[in-house]
Amino acid sequence: GQNIDQPTEMTATEGAIVQINCTYQTSGFNGLFWYQQHAGEAPTFLSYNVLDGLEEKGRFSSFLSRSKGYSYLLLKELQMKDSASYLCAVVDSNYQLIWGAGTKLIIKP
Amino acid sequence: IAGITQAPTSQILAAGRRMTLRCTQDMRHNAMYWYRQDLGLGLRLIHYSNTAGTTGKGEVPDGYSVSRANTDDFPLTLASAVPSQTSVYFCASSDLSGGPYNEQFFGPGTRLTVL
Repeated sequence: GQNIDQPTEMTATEGAIVQINCTYQTSGFNGLFWYQQHAGEAPTFLSYNVLDGLEEKGRFSSFLSRSKGYSYLLLKELQMKDSASYLCAVVDSNYQLIWGAGTKLIIKP
Repeated sequence: IAGITQAPTSQILAAGRRMTLRCTQDMRHNAMYWYRQDLGLGLRLIHYSNTAGTTGKGEVPDGYSVSRANTDDFPLTLASAVPSQTSVYFCASSDLSGGPYNEQFFGPGTRLTVL
């Protein structure tokens, strides 16, 4: 079967760094997406990794290890507006996105 | 119109009624998708369409039907609504012409309650 695992909820402090992990087992792999979803809103694109390594984009970075079936999203200099759910999704062999349940990130002052 | 629109924004529906959720995109994307999102379960694919005139079943298609008569529109129909179909429904689209990079763009969602 296909499976994407993420922690259900994490809490962090404003100004700190947080790492959200995602492990996956899918039929084929054509890349991994991270999306951000604020409460009551639609998911929006954050990052895409298809090769191993770290992709940095401002305060957000995403890492992929295909051999380990593992990715993480790193958020630096946390701001209150970063309070949201973070969704990990893998592109499978049929080019469909397989979604994790999401990690709800709570930022405290 | 900019991006993807969905209608209605929210709806309360009596069980057994028929309901169509509308979705329109103006990005000329070839692929479109319908998801439902339930607490703790993440996004689950209901139906998809890789190009106008074709549709396919996703993970949870039972009780739902779709059509794709043109590039822009992808309506989702509940033939006879049941309470378990209470959920938030998201329509999404993507451009698959370039290969497997499948960044999906989402509409604002429809919150449906079936009583």
